Amino acid sequence: QLQLQESGPGLVRPSETLSLTCTISGGSFGSSPEYWGWIRQPPGKGLEWVGSIFYDGTTYYNPPLKSRASISVDASKNQISLKVTSVTAADTAVYYCARSLDDGYNFIYWGHGTLVTVSS
Amino acid sequence: EIVLTQSPVTLSLSPGERATLSCRASQSVSRYLTWYQQKPGQAPRLLVYDASNRAAGIPARFSGSGSGTDFTLTISSLEPEDFAVYYCQQRSHWLTFGGGTKVEIK
Repeated sequence: QLQLQESGPGLVRPSETLSLTCTISGGSFGSSPEYWGWIRQPPGKGLEWVGSIFYDGTTYYNPPLKSRASISVDASKNQISLKVTSVTAADTAVYYCARSLDDGYNFIYWGHGTLVTVSS
Repeated sequence: EIVLTQSPVTLSLSPGERATLSCRASQSVSRYLTWYQQKPGQAPRLLVYDASNRAAGIPARFSGSGSGTDFTLTISSLEPEDFAVYYCQQRSHWLTFGGGTKVEIK
């Protein structure tokens, strides 16, 4: 069974860069076309797609975040990474990494999520 | 941006009852509509994709229907574990989520 685990600092200062890593285990990472995404959820609120990365390295970002978000893959470490620059309190959320079905945007495997708080 | 509006915001029902959840899109999303279930402190769980396809391992009491702008998730007979928040999501133009419907015990 595929398992995803997010990790990273729980507290980030305003204007700094949020950096998270998703480590994948229990599957053959990179052995078949794969589609990964980051979704976030502010405390007590709904879900927001941050962006996705496809097996060929193509990335897609939610337009409001496009200028600040960056997603990459390190296949040698079985990891997906997310960076969000110039964070504000509005970026405070639980961040989930997820793997999609082959259509790219229906997320079937999810990590447990990690809470990132932006505060001074 | 395609806006998804879910209704009702809260649905109060008893176990065994039928639940009908609605998701309306601000413009046509064809059949590119997905439903997730989320319980407190947990990640979302994929239930239905492409409007009516149940994901692997999802019980048959969950069914989805609709196309274009109007979609429905039906839970034919609520089990105790079905009380949760349900989100719809479209992938027709980028990816957006609805605000959620909370199904609570009456």
